Amino acid sequence: GDSVTQMEGPVTLSEEAFLTINCTYTATGYPSLFWYVQYPGEGLQLLLKATKADDKGSNKGFEATYRKETTSFHLEKGSVQVSDSAVYFCALSDSGGSNYKLTFGKGTLLTVNP
Amino acid sequence: NAGVTQTPKFQVLKTGQSMTLQCAQDMNHNSMYWYRQDPGMGLRLIYYSASEGTTDKGEVPNGYNVSRLNKREFSLRLESAAPSQTSVYFCASSEQGTRQPQHFGDGTRLSIL
Repeated sequence: GDSVTQMEGPVTLSEEAFLTINCTYTATGYPSLFWYVQYPGEGLQLLLKATKADDKGSNKGFEATYRKETTSFHLEKGSVQVSDSAVYFCALSDSGGSNYKLTFGKGTLLTVNP
Repeated sequence: NAGVTQTPKFQVLKTGQSMTLQCAQDMNHNSMYWYRQDPGMGLRLIYYSASEGTTDKGEVPNGYNVSRLNKREFSLRLESAAPSQTSVYFCASSEQGTRQPQHFGDGTRLSIL
């Protein structure tokens, strides 16, 4: 079945540091890939997405490239801010059949210190 | 922009009690979902409704029932609550199609004593 593996946290960085959160996946078809962010006490918000190989999703300074050859979708940001502190989830939606469910990784807690 | 609205936000139940979690979306989405979030487990799909009039089991459906009341509303019912159902519950909605992102509510924090 489908699965998503993302690096376990927590990750603690200083402001303006470079961020990478690794995400790899297993899927039978040609999935769409997503990064969601969850701020404390809130629901998940879509951060970025990529729907086919070599697509790059980007938003708010975050980027991730859909790498089919390595089945990866790593999240990066060049300079993090305190306001980026949150839990980040990698997820996939497989293209097969009519099942629209998302398969999530377990989440990575990011804390950015001033 | 309300998006996805969940009620209640917090609830404490005793074992064996029943309750219904409500979810409504105002984005005219066809598909709706219920997830539970537990520490270290990510989000797990309980039930989903691909379109009005249809519902299907997800990964962890035992102990739950759902009703797609109309296109806007999708409720989750716990008939006889158990401590293992203590969790944060999220409702989400999306356009049909696997390339469409899901939009989430703010969650219901449910404790069962």
